[in-house]
This record gives sequence, C-alpha cells and structure tokens, in this order.
Amino acid sequence: EVQLVESGGGLVQPGGSLRLSCAASGFTVSSSYMSWVRQAPGKGLEWVSVIYGGDKTSHADFVKGRFTISRDNLKNTIYLQMDSLRAEDTAMYYCARDVTFDLWGQGTRVTVSS
Amino acid sequence: EIVLTQSPATLSLSPGERATLSCRASQNINKYLAWFQQKPGQAPRLLIYDASNRATGIPARFSGSGSGTDFTLTISSLEPEDFAVYYCQQRSIWPPFTFGPGTKVDIK
Repeated sequence: EVQLVESGGGLVQPGGSLRLSCAASGFTVSSSYMSWVRQAPGKGLEWVSVIYGGDKTSHADFVKGRFTISRDNLKNTIYLQMDSLRAEDTAMYYCARDVTFDLWGQGTRVTVSS
Repeated sequence: EIVLTQSPATLSLSPGERATLSCRASQNINKYLAWFQQKPGQAPRLLIYDASNRATGIPARFSGSGSGTDFTLTISSLEPEDFAVYYCQQRSIWPPFTFGPGTKVDIK
C-alpha cells in the first residue's frame, strides 16, 4: 500500500527541539520530492520544507536556520529536525509527496508551550 | 512570493447544487495550480492538479479550469461528503509553495 506515516510530535517547551519522521511505503522517497506542510489550529495550510534530487533542500523563510529536512534512503523515511521552537510553531505537521502533493500522511501534532 | 486569494471565504449551498470556487494568483502561474479538499480531522486530499487534471479516484463532478492568474473549481452537484474546506496551491514559482486561505463549503 502506498502511504506516508508521520511520528515524533508532542509537547515541547519554547526553545526546545523535536525530530519528526515520515515513513513511506509503496514508493521510494529518494526518487520523489518530499515536503513538510503544517497547519496551526483552526488555520490554513503552510508549506515548510522540501527535499529533492541529490539531497537538495529548501525551507520557508519563517523556519530557516531553525528547521532542517533530511532523508534516510535505507529507511525510506524523511525527517524534520526542529530546533529553537516557538509557540507559533504549534501545528499539525504533514508530510506530502511530489510537487503535486498527491499523497499526504495523517499528520503528527506539535505543541510548543511552557 | 506568489500570493493566492480565494473567494468566497464561505459558500453555503444545499446538496445537489452547483459550487463554484475561485482562486486568484498575484502573478502568472501558467497552469500550475492544484486544488485540495480537507475535512475536519483529516489530512488534505489532492483533487485537481495543473489546473484541470483530476487526481486518481476523484469523481467527475469535480472539475477545474483556468490559467495565468484566475482559476475555478466547480463541483457540479454537491454530495453530502463534499461539504469541506477547499484550498488552492501553486507550484509554478517556488520556493515557497503557497496555499490560498481556503473556501469553506457548508450546508445551507
């Protein structure tokens, strides 16, 4: 079955770190554009990061220097390392496939609060 | 950065009615616009890509049109399961990929 499964979310204090995982099955992440998209409670969708090609990456300005997207081809998994977390990073985080965003995971919730 | 504007913010309709949702881009994005449906507690689902192509498994009552800066999603006859929030998104000029603010289609 072709699917994405996110994990790693939770409650973290401001300034803390989390690493999100997105495990893929039914296709290979190494040959796909893979993105993270987030959605704050009651708000719209916001693109965060993408990894593609030979480990090329790009991040939204609001996470540059704080978040890092990476990939483990052997585990067929992508990651989002989130450092220096802020209250405004509180959101559901989804991973999605391809530049068409044709496949989404169910999301993992991140809450940044003291 | 490409800014997408969606209208209306809310569309109140009855089952069986036709829904017309609009998305406008701040500059020319050619055909590179997608539409997503999101229901409460669920992940978004791709409906339409490249302005007019239905994604796999999407019913024919969903159609997309437009190019350049003005795009439309049409639901020809609303089914009960179509009441949801709809987002447009562009991939013409990235980063960043940008999404519109969404249109909520609710039951009248």
